[in-house]
Amino acid sequence: SQELEQSPQSLIVQEGKNLTINCTSSKTLYGLYWYKQKYGEGLIFLMMLQKGGEEKSHEKITAKLDEKKQQSSLHITASQPSHAGIYLCGADSGTSYGKLTFGQGTILTVHP
Amino acid sequence: SAVISQKPSRDICQRGTSLTIQCQVDSQVTMMFWYRQQPGQSLTLIATANQGSEATYESGFVIDKFPISRPNLTFSTLTVSNMSPEDSSIYLCSVFEGYEQYFGPGTRLTVT
Repeated sequence: SQELEQSPQSLIVQEGKNLTINCTSSKTLYGLYWYKQKYGEGLIFLMMLQKGGEEKSHEKITAKLDEKKQQSSLHITASQPSHAGIYLCGADSGTSYGKLTFGQGTILTVHP
Repeated sequence: SAVISQKPSRDICQRGTSLTIQCQVDSQVTMMFWYRQQPGQSLTLIATANQGSEATYESGFVIDKFPISRPNLTFSTLTVSNMSPEDSSIYLCSVFEGYEQYFGPGTRLTVT
């Protein structure tokens, strides 16, 4: 079965700083999803990457899928307190849509 | 993007009882999924619910414990039966639409 490892597990940054969260898969990634979760709430869809080398951006968040399709990174530029939360990566099984395996999450704290 | 609502948003239940969680989507979708997030853990897929067929359960989850209904393309229910404290979790409904996957706000269940 596929396993996803996120690093770091937690991150504390000062407002305005840049940061990167990594998601490494034990198998080839067919579809990699990034979500943000506020404590105890649902998941907010950020981005989905499919192709090796693909990069997508939304506001100050950029996600990349490496060429070998076994790692993805999420980069936040000029972080704000509103970026705080839990970031989760989820991987498509490659055989069935919708069946995602998730990493353990990265807890981001942004100090004003 | 699909907009998903869930009812109830949270509940506190006594062991041995059952709770039915409702999931409503604002558009017709073929694939709906139910996930569980235990305290401090990441998300785990419980089952896939497609309209017109029996739900498909993942390893470790059984129909007697988590019966699912999918009467139409916009609605599904998940019942957590004969609850124990170990069932205390956030339960999330999810849909796959347009090669993107969206999640509902979750139902926070506490079993005492």
